[in-house]
Amino acid sequence: EADIYQTPRYLVIGTGKKITLECSQTMGHDKMYWYQQDPGMELHLIHYSYGVNSTEKGDLSSESTVSRIRTEHFPLTLESARPSHTSQYLCASSGPGTGSYGYTFGSGTRLTVV
Amino acid sequence: AQSVTQLGSHVSVSEGALVLLRCNYSSSVPPYLFWYVQYPNQGLQLLLKYTTGATLVKGINGFEAEFKKSETSFHLTKPSAHMSDAAEYFCAVSGGSNYKLTFGKGTLLTVNP
Repeated sequence: EADIYQTPRYLVIGTGKKITLECSQTMGHDKMYWYQQDPGMELHLIHYSYGVNSTEKGDLSSESTVSRIRTEHFPLTLESARPSHTSQYLCASSGPGTGSYGYTFGSGTRLTVV
Repeated sequence: AQSVTQLGSHVSVSEGALVLLRCNYSSSVPPYLFWYVQYPNQGLQLLLKYTTGATLVKGINGFEAEFKKSETSFHLTKPSAHMSDAAEYFCAVSGGSNYKLTFGKGTLLTVNP
């Protein structure tokens, strides 16, 4: 069963619209991540958070923004969607302590901007 | 700094044949190593991981991997491929105080009937 939830699974939206991709986890994990992935391609870290009120930019520059007001919730927002934002967005979380636990991933949101 | 190299972006095998997906890593501290699988239009699912102890690690769906420190490798194997194994596979490393995972670029496994 999924412990990290992403909504919507699929989204088709027009250029210039504001969108928010939702990510919630029920595991109490302190660390959360957003990855961008084009079909069949590698993962690119775009944002991460170590806890409430903590957000950092990842390795790939992104026009999106994130917030972490509650432990369980890590939404990603695009103020003005463009066709170049078309991609799959994956949310993940990891628990406290060392990196030996790995990440738990959501099912992803496939975004298409037309 | 940590890095992962997955040799071969695409591996094709026949059903029933051995699956071997290669992963080499670089880490300045003792590594934690992971293999994830991604089916089309899905997120990543943990197959197996190595943290400490036994170097041969067994995972789900009949997969296993062996940590070889001298070769800085963590190759993924399965004795007999099944059609349902067709997916993208990602190797990842973390370690020390760095709990962020560094992912390889992925290997697409195709299984032919």
